[in-house]
Order: sequence, then structure tokens, then C-alpha cells
Amino acid sequence: ETGVTQSPTHLIKTRGQQVTLRCSSQSGHNTVSWYQQALGQGPQFIFQYYREEENGRGNFPPRFSGLQFPNYSSELNVNALELDDSALYLCASSEGPGNTEAFFGQGTRLTVV
Amino acid sequence: QKEVEQDPGPLSVPEGAIVSLNCTYSNSAFQYFMWYRQYSRKGPELLMYTYSSGNKEDGRFTAQVDKSSKYISLFIRDSQPSDSATYLCAMRLSGGYQKVTFGTGTKLQVIP
Repeated sequence: ETGVTQSPTHLIKTRGQQVTLRCSSQSGHNTVSWYQQALGQGPQFIFQYYREEENGRGNFPPRFSGLQFPNYSSELNVNALELDDSALYLCASSEGPGNTEAFFGQGTRLTVV
Repeated sequence: QKEVEQDPGPLSVPEGAIVSLNCTYSNSAFQYFMWYRQYSRKGPELLMYTYSSGNKEDGRFTAQVDKSSKYISLFIRDSQPSDSATYLCAMRLSGGYQKVTFGTGTKLQVIP
């Protein structure tokens, strides 16, 4: 076990709705990154949070947003869901933004219908 | 063209075989090279990482990086059925920003 937990494990939403996914990082890990993994593809970087501030962003539109809290929990919010948002969403926590050893959660499988 | 290319497989080998998994990349600025293992319905698990060029060994696993060719490899010796998983290569720049670029993953099946 990595000590990183995500909730929920599965979720079905309707196109146009909003969704919030949650991640609980390892204690002491001040950095969390979020990834989108489509079926048969590698994870794609969405953004990273370091000490509750966005520290970098991949090629995702602003309707993907996040929050990081002091208690090692974080959220990924997606507005105006599209069918192509259906994917496995992964969070990864680490001791710092430059630390290569990141630990992934088991992911949240989001299906948009 | 993707920044990181990886043959998706699937790759089937008999138990005990030596497995070779490979990735090529286009961004010569990448400095950290990682290999992750992902079992079905699980998140990726970091197997090992290498900084810059060279080899690194950990038990049955050996990672190699050839920056001149922009080519990285993972070798698995004495493969076991429990090694059956998808193997993802990943890489990033040096510095404090941890954007990691992944390959598509190679699905490996080790047959008893």
C-alpha cells in the first residue's frame, strides 16, 4: 500500500455536470499531482499543487481545477463534463515538487454518459 | 509526434525468460527516467528511476539510459507470473517542477 487513498473508486456522471474527486496524501507529503489516464494510454499530467498553491499545469482547460488543504488532502474539480473526460484519475503525492519518488493512489474511474 | 514513444504490446513470454522493455523520447532535456508497474485496476507503482545516463540494478530489474540515442530500457531477469502487468516508462526535466511525461505502457504477460 502506498498510503495514498482516493475517493470514490468509481463514479458515473452525466455530460454537463460537475464532479469532485478526492485524494488523501501520505503524511508529510506537501506536493500532490493529478493525472488523467484514458483507457490504453499512459497518465497525462493535469496539474501539481505544492503547499496549497498550483505549481504547474499540463495541457488541460480551466474547467479542470484543484485545491490542496493543510491536512494532506486535495481535490480535483471538473466542470461542464464532456464524454472525453471519461478516464481513470490518479493523484500522486511526494515530499516535494522536485522529488522523483511519487506515490500513486489507486485512482477514481470516472464515466461520463 | 509524442514526446515519449512506447510499444503497447502485448508482450507474452514464458516464465523464467529475460524481458526487455523500451522507450524512445524526443526531448533531449529530460534528466530523470522512471519505470512504473501498473497492475489492473491499480495506480502505477514506481519500480526504479535513473538520473541522466547509465545503468541501475535492483534485484531482477535493470534500467538503462542512453541519452545519446534518446533510448531507455528496462530488463527483467527470471520473469515470474507476478510480473504480469503494464510497464510505463516516464521522464521529466530536472529542477523543482515535477511534470512527468509517461509513455503509453507495455502490457506484459508471463506465462507459467
